[in-house]
Amino acid sequence: AQSVTQPDIHITVSEGASLELRCNYSYGATPYLFWYVQSPGQGLQLLLKYFSGDTLVQGIKGFEAEFKRSQSSFNLRKPSVHWSDAAEYFCAVVPPSGGYQKVTFGIGTKLQVIP
Amino acid sequence: DSGVTQTPKHLITATGQRVTLRCSPRSGDLSVYWYQQSLDQGLQFLIQYYNGEERAKGNILERFSAQQFPDLHSELNLSSLELGDSALYFCASSVEGGETYEQYFGPGTRLTVT
Repeated sequence: AQSVTQPDIHITVSEGASLELRCNYSYGATPYLFWYVQSPGQGLQLLLKYFSGDTLVQGIKGFEAEFKRSQSSFNLRKPSVHWSDAAEYFCAVVPPSGGYQKVTFGIGTKLQVIP
Repeated sequence: DSGVTQTPKHLITATGQRVTLRCSPRSGDLSVYWYQQSLDQGLQFLIQYYNGEERAKGNILERFSAQQFPDLHSELNLSSLELGDSALYFCASSVEGGETYEQYFGPGTRLTVT
């Protein structure tokens, strides 16, 4: 069965430090991959997505993610974290065929930013 | 502000009751999605409508139903409520119905079942 793993439930970084949030998936073919951010009391917002092509994807708010087929990973990165990045981050996977009903979300990674 | 509105923001009700959650998509968006977010189950996709028709069905219980009306707003009906139905319910919308289209999420309805 398809699964998404976000191994880090909680991450704390200092403002200005770099960030990497991990996402691994288990699926036969390369799925569609998404990263979402959820600020407290808000809905999700799409940061970036990967369907095919260039494996380094640029998103909003200075985020990028790299798809690595050999590692079944789609890790999210930011070179310098701002206090406003404190939020919860979700990785999501959708199989390229079979419809959206097979979407799977990771459990989320809560990011705390300290001054 | 995503442009997706959901009402009510909060809802407190008793077990066994029925509630209706409402969602208005962004102007021009044809597809609406419903999600449930709870502490024990995480974020789960419930159901998707596209231009009034059901498009994809996820982990939606039989006690739950949804519809999308001609003006494209959508309602999620939850009946015979149980304590475990307490959660945040999100609606999202997208221009079209395919998996590659960006979804815009509303602020959610927090349902508390007592």
